[in-house]
Amino acid sequence: AQSVAQPEDQVNVAEGNPLTVKCTYSVSGNPYLFWYVQYPNRGLQFLLKYITGDNLVKGSYGFEAEFNKSQTSFHLKKPSALVSDSALYFCAVRVPNAGNMLTFGGGTRLMVKP
Amino acid sequence: EPEVTQTPSHQVTQMGQEVILRCVPISNHLYFYWYRQILGQKVEFLVSFYNNEISEKSEIFDDQFSVERPDGSNFTLKIRSTKLEDSAMYFCASSDQVGTGTGELFFGEGSRLTVL
Repeated sequence: AQSVAQPEDQVNVAEGNPLTVKCTYSVSGNPYLFWYVQYPNRGLQFLLKYITGDNLVKGSYGFEAEFNKSQTSFHLKKPSALVSDSALYFCAVRVPNAGNMLTFGGGTRLMVKP
Repeated sequence: EPEVTQTPSHQVTQMGQEVILRCVPISNHLYFYWYRQILGQKVEFLVSFYNNEISEKSEIFDDQFSVERPDGSNFTLKIRSTKLEDSAMYFCASSDQVGTGTGELFFGEGSRLTVL
């Protein structure tokens, strides 16, 4: 079975500082990995994905994530946080040829303070 | 930009009543999903639908739940006899590339169901 862990319920960062939201996964096989963001009372918006190739993937709103196979991690990063980045972030995994659903982590609330 | 739309945005119902949540997926997408999110908890997979049939379902998706694509545009989730624990935000999603496994899901804004 596949699973995703987001070890931090909340991450606090000052505006302008770099941010990292952690994600680790457990799958049998090579995963496809995704990050989504959820603003209050809204649906989930796709940020970026790793399928294959370069381990560093870039996505929307200046976010990027690094796939690390040896550490089974896919941490979300941004060099300079904005107050408007404050939201709930979800990591998700799909295993090719093992079903078509995404399995989500528990979510991490990012709070960016001015 | 095309989007997934869901109705109603909020529904309040009495325990034991039937509820139908409606979704209009992105028009050229072929794969459809329902997820739910109980307040403060993780996003949970319910069911996926492709080629007019269920392709996967979770253990949450028991006999009280059903899905249907009654016409070329709508995708519905029916809960036959609601329970208090069905109170959640229900998200519809669609995708066009699941056959390769690479496609992201596009989510609607959600339908909040409150069961009293």
